[in-house]
Amino acid sequence: DIQMTQSPSSLSASVGDRVTITCRASQGISNYLAWYQQKPGKVPKVLIYTASTLESGVPSRFSGSGSGTDFTLTISSLQPEDVATYYCQEYNSAPYNFGQGTKLDIK
Amino acid sequence: DVQLVESGGDLVKPGGSLRLSCAGSGFSFSRAWMSWVRQAPGEGLEWVGRIKSKTDGETTDYAAPVKGRFIISRDDSRNTLYLQMNSLKTEDTGVYYCATYTSGASWGQGTLVTVSS
Repeated sequence: DIQMTQSPSSLSASVGDRVTITCRASQGISNYLAWYQQKPGKVPKVLIYTASTLESGVPSRFSGSGSGTDFTLTISSLQPEDVATYYCQEYNSAPYNFGQGTKLDIK
Repeated sequence: DVQLVESGGDLVKPGGSLRLSCAGSGFSFSRAWMSWVRQAPGEGLEWVGRIKSKTDGETTDYAAPVKGRFIISRDDSRNTLYLQMNSLKTEDTGVYYCATYTSGASWGQGTLVTVSS
């Protein structure tokens, strides 16, 4: 099984800050990685798929990069509505494991 | 647009069974590999299992906690995915989502399963 290690587990930043969350796969997954945003009580929302493709309707301040084992999700300028928990998930080979999540809040 | 709609969630006693359904539209359902994902209250996301397309053998894979208890199947004539859950445990409580990663990543809105006496 491929293990997904996400860091940090929690993060506090100021409005306007550049925020980076990383996800590391225990073996290569090509670019089969998705990022999700989940606000309390809500359904997870797809932000990015195939590591760097922005889902339709997602603000351009979100971006993804990486290939192989190391991936990043970047928010270029943090907004108050970005407070949420973020997850990565590999879908290269079953089981399609998730990272443990990063809880992001405003400082 | 891809649309996935889950149904069938309910309150069930430990040891009981339940079948969830997921209706897909807006994409080629028969060609898609389909997954189930769940989330226990206050916890992270957990992949449950996947079924490949018929042309790829319609084989299934399961997460360790559900292997031998859950069965994923599909009816391509109805564009519907199923999750048969047997020998349910309290730790199976949560919201269950169906998902496909065929073109991008698409999820349904989820259905709540509560296992409690």
